[in-house]
Amino acid sequence: KAGVTQTPRYLIKTRGQQVTLSCSPISGHRSVSWYQQTPGQGLQFLFEYFSETQRNKGNFPGRFSGRQFSNSRSEMNVSTLELGDSALYLCASSLAGDESYGYTFGSGTRLTVV
Amino acid sequence: DAKTTQPPSMDCAEGRAANLPCNHSTISGNEYVYWYRQIHSQGPQYIIHGLKNNETNEMASLIITEDRKSSTLILPHATLRDTAVYYCIVRGRVESSYKLIFGSGTRLLVRP
Repeated sequence: KAGVTQTPRYLIKTRGQQVTLSCSPISGHRSVSWYQQTPGQGLQFLFEYFSETQRNKGNFPGRFSGRQFSNSRSEMNVSTLELGDSALYLCASSLAGDESYGYTFGSGTRLTVV
Repeated sequence: DAKTTQPPSMDCAEGRAANLPCNHSTISGNEYVYWYRQIHSQGPQYIIHGLKNNETNEMASLIITEDRKSSTLILPHATLRDTAVYYCIVRGRVESSYKLIFGSGTRLLVRP
C-alpha cells in the first residue's frame, strides 16, 4: 500500500516569501502530524490534526499554520519565511494518533530559505 | 523535553546482535515506549512499541524491565543497512499524547 506522500521533495524560497507543503497520509489514516528537523534543534513537533481539527500544537510562532481536509490530506503553511526556517519538514500519519498506534513518516520536504 | 536518555553512539559488528539501551525513569503507568530510527535524510521509520510486556516483530525485539524504568531494543542480526540514529520515545495519554518528543537518539554504526 502507498505510504505517506509529501510534496514537493525540495524547495528553495526567498526570505519574506510564503510556502505551502502538502502531505497525503496512508489511506484510512485520520491523524496527520508535522515535524521540523534541523541540525541544531533536532526533530520538533509542529502540530497534529485529526478529522480536520488541530488537536495539539508545538512551540512555533504563528507564521506556521496548517490544516487538514476531509480526505485527511494536510497542508502546512509558513509565511514571511526566515533563514532559520530552512529545515526538513516531515509529515507523519497514524490510524487514530493515540498512544497505542505508531506513526508512519513521509520522506519529507527539504526547504531552503535564501 | 524528551523523557528518555540514550547513549549518543554505539557500534556493533555486522551479523551480531545490537542492543540499544534507553532509560525512562519517569515513565508513568499508561505511557508506551516507542522506538524509531532515521537513516540519513529520510523520515523516521517506526520499529516497535510496547507498554509492559516484551514485544517482538520482524524488525526487532523490545525488552522492558519489570519496573518499566528502562528498555532495550534488540536487532538480532545487525546488517550494514541498520546503521542509523535510533530514537526511544515515551508517549502516553496526556496533553502530549498526540505528539512524539524526540531526544538526541543513539547513532548506531554497524561495522563490516
